[in-house]
Amino acid sequence: DVKVTQSSRYLVKRTGEKVFLECVQDMDHENMFWYRQDPGLGLRLIYFSYDVKMKEKGDIPEGYSVSREKKERFSLILESASTNQTSMYLCASSLGTSYYGYTFGSGTRLTVV
Amino acid sequence: AQTVTQSQPEMSVQEAETVTLSCTYDTSESDYYLFWYKQPPSRQMILVIRQEAYKQQNATENRFSVNFQKAAKSFSLKISDSQLGDAAMYFCAYLTGANNLFFGTGTRLTVIP
Repeated sequence: DVKVTQSSRYLVKRTGEKVFLECVQDMDHENMFWYRQDPGLGLRLIYFSYDVKMKEKGDIPEGYSVSREKKERFSLILESASTNQTSMYLCASSLGTSYYGYTFGSGTRLTVV
Repeated sequence: AQTVTQSQPEMSVQEAETVTLSCTYDTSESDYYLFWYKQPPSRQMILVIRQEAYKQQNATENRFSVNFQKAAKSFSLKISDSQLGDAAMYFCAYLTGANNLFFGTGTRLTVIP
């Protein structure tokens, strides 16, 4: 019954490494999103995509990029990981209008050392 | 810009009792959607309830109901007959005109046996 799958539950990377976080959805949703979650700050939108090969910046895109080559897959890329990117990363998807909310993955807890 | 405020970082409730989690928001839009999400320790964000702003009637889903006060821009969640499985982080969210969900900072609910 898994609908949004994030490839890793826990990840530890070194400062300066290039990091890929993968997300796959099997619901044929048009929209996909990447959020980071930090205590006391809630969820903050990093990037989103409304269609294949399209991407839009969210509220905190600095230090991140994304790739959407196929409708079902949305990748978050940390070009050069830094310790302030240690966080929980949540992927989500939704139908075109999002009126029924998002479906989330289980999150990837990334630690950068 | 939209803002979503959850003023209670933590709440507790006795099992079988009722608890209300508060949420206020700010927007200049007249038609929008509001959501409550639950995040248990498993980290999976689960949609609890949604409210369409143009509907006067408060949404209800089993033991969960909302008190939606459009003029006051208030959207509180009431949990009746609280159960141990209700223990989680609860996030209030607003769907922006750009089709993005904007989240509050969350309320951690503890259920006391």
